Amino acid sequence: DIQMTQSPSTLSASVGDRVTITCRASQSISSWLAWYQQKPGTAPKLLIYKASRLESGVPSRFSGSGSGTDFTLTISSLQPDDLATYYCQQYNSYGLTFGPGTKVDIK
Amino acid sequence: QVQLVQSGAEVKKPGASVKVSCKASGYTFTNYALHWVRQAPGQSLEWMGWVNSDKGHTKYSQKFQGRVTITRDTSATTAYMELSSLRSEDTAVYYCARECAHCSGSYDYWGQGTLITVSS
Repeated sequence: DIQMTQSPSTLSASVGDRVTITCRASQSISSWLAWYQQKPGTAPKLLIYKASRLESGVPSRFSGSGSGTDFTLTISSLQPDDLATYYCQQYNSYGLTFGPGTKVDIK
Repeated sequence: QVQLVQSGAEVKKPGASVKVSCKASGYTFTNYALHWVRQAPGQSLEWMGWVNSDKGHTKYSQKFQGRVTITRDTSATTAYMELSSLRSEDTAVYYCARECAHCSGSYDYWGQGTLITVSS
């Protein structure tokens, strides 16, 4: 299986800050990468698919980039509602795998 | 509106089996694959397998091969995930998720999750 890593594992930032989360795949996955947001006690929510495409209804402050093995999720201006854990997922090949997550706290 | 409603929490003893249901509504059931993903307490997400809702074809994670069975009932617009030979490490929230049509491979709708606790 393709292994996914994320950094940092946690981050604390202030409202209005630009936040970047990195995801790395153990082998090339082209652009077959998604990002999810999960708030405590709820199911994940799709934010980005195919590395950079914003899912309908997701605020434009979220953006994704990258291809091959290195990807980033950027929140351009952090909002209080963005308190959550963020996961990347590769769907280039079975078994589909997720990253370990990045927990975002608001300072 | 699209909804995936899962069955309720269960407590099982080691060695037992559990079957979780996922009732779909608000869309044409047979047009979308359904996947199962689990999340152990404080852990990341783990893909278990999926079912082609139209033909019933399945594919499973190698980790669960032989222990998991995913089925669907098109007349009931419901998918099922059965996990056997349960052990304490299977304690987790189990989610069903719809594979997105325009973003194939990722999941645009999720069930609310079903907590399965395995304990003697």
